[in-house]
Amino acid sequence: DIQLTQSPSFLSASVGDRVTITCRASQGISSYLAWYQQKPGKAPKLLIYAASTLHSGVPSRFSGSGSGTDFTLTISSLQPEDFATYYCQQLNSYPLTFGGGTTVEI
Amino acid sequence: EVQLVESGGGLVQPGGSLRLSCAASGFTFSNYWMSWVRQAPGKGLEWVANIKQDGSEKYYVDSVKGRFTISRDNTKNSLYLQMNSLRAEDTALYYCASLDYYGSGRGDYYYYMDVWGKGTTVTVSS
Repeated sequence: DIQLTQSPSFLSASVGDRVTITCRASQGISSYLAWYQQKPGKAPKLLIYAASTLHSGVPSRFSGSGSGTDFTLTISSLQPEDFATYYCQQLNSYPLTFGGGTTVEI
Repeated sequence: EVQLVESGGGLVQPGGSLRLSCAASGFTFSNYWMSWVRQAPGKGLEWVANIKQDGSEKYYVDSVKGRFTISRDNTKNSLYLQMNSLRAEDTALYYCASLDYYGSGRGDYYYYMDVWGKGTTVTVSS
């Protein structure tokens, strides 16, 4: 099984900060990686797929990069509505797996 | 409006069974792979199962193999998860999600879960 390790697990930031979250795969997954945002009590929302493609309607301050085993999600200027938990997911092979999550807090 | 609505959750004793349903609307359900994803209280996301458009392929996480069965009825735009021999560790909020993909044009297909329901809660406890 492919393990995804996200870091950090928790991140304290302020509005306007540039935030970077990393996701490392235990083996190469090409660009078969997606990023989701989840707010408390809500379902996850897709942000990025194919490692770097922004999903329709997602603000351009979100970006993704990486290929192989190392990936990053960057929020260029943190907004109040961005405080949430972020998950990476690999869709390279079964079983599909998620990273442990990164909670972005004030 | 594109929508997925889960139902069927509840409180069940260990060893019991439950059948979850997911009703799809606003899109051509039969064109999409579908997934079940769960989230234990205070924990992260865990993929549970996938099913192909015509039901001919199914995949499961190891922890539910032999106990859970994913199925679908395209005539009813519905996805199901039959859960048997339930354990305390199956307690979670269960989401259904549709899988779409992006084709690179070079034969690569990048899948992603783009539509999610709000979830239905399963509690396994005596």
